Amino acid sequence: DIVMTQSPDSLAVSLGERATINCKSSRTVLYTSDNKNYLAWYQQKPGQPPKLLIYWASTRRSGVPDRFSGSGSGTDFTLTISSLQAEDVAIYYCQQYYDSPWTFGQGTKVEIK
Amino acid sequence: QLQLQESGPGLVKPSETLSLTCTVSGGSISSSNYYWGWLRQPPGKGLEWIANVYYSGSTYFNPSLKSRVTISVDTSQSQFSLKLSSVTAADTAVYYCSGQLYVSGNLPYYFDYWGQGTLVTVSS
Repeated sequence: DIVMTQSPDSLAVSLGERATINCKSSRTVLYTSDNKNYLAWYQQKPGQPPKLLIYWASTRRSGVPDRFSGSGSGTDFTLTISSLQAEDVAIYYCQQYYDSPWTFGQGTKVEIK
Repeated sequence: QLQLQESGPGLVKPSETLSLTCTVSGGSISSSNYYWGWLRQPPGKGLEWIANVYYSGSTYFNPSLKSRVTISVDTSQSQFSLKLSSVTAADTAVYYCSGQLYVSGNLPYYFDYWGQGTLVTVSS
């Protein structure tokens, strides 16, 4: 199985400041045949299901605010919230879809400082 | 816009079989663009993918659960179902059904649509 490890487990950021979440995979999720990273990011608010934010490591899903951005390649990825808003308080998960079984990081909790 | 809704008992006794159904609306369960799957999340913990099924009946399973899992699809009812046998307290979780984007010739991709989830507690 591909193990996904996120850091930090939690972070507190002031409103309007940048939040950065890291995700590392135990092996590459970059397919050389199409040069795509098979990596997605989800946001989960309390009592709600996860919501897809980003796929192919950096493509925002339609309707996702542009303060959310994804970057990275191979085994190291980052989700950045450029200017944290109150509604961004949530747990964020990365997920690889390079291979089955599909696996998630343990989650990073983002709070307001 | 696809909508998914889980249904089933919220309480299952240890050693019995957990059975859940997901109803798909707002689109066709026979769409070639989606695998239909189940994931779970124990209280306060992370996400675990369980299994998925295509409208044709093709399936993928998480090896860690495969021996206890049955997944099936009923296109006439726009539903797919999960059965998990020999449950223990460790199977207590919120169970989500999902639509996983699929392009022919590839593995399914990311989890595009999610149900609201249903809490299943294993307890006598």
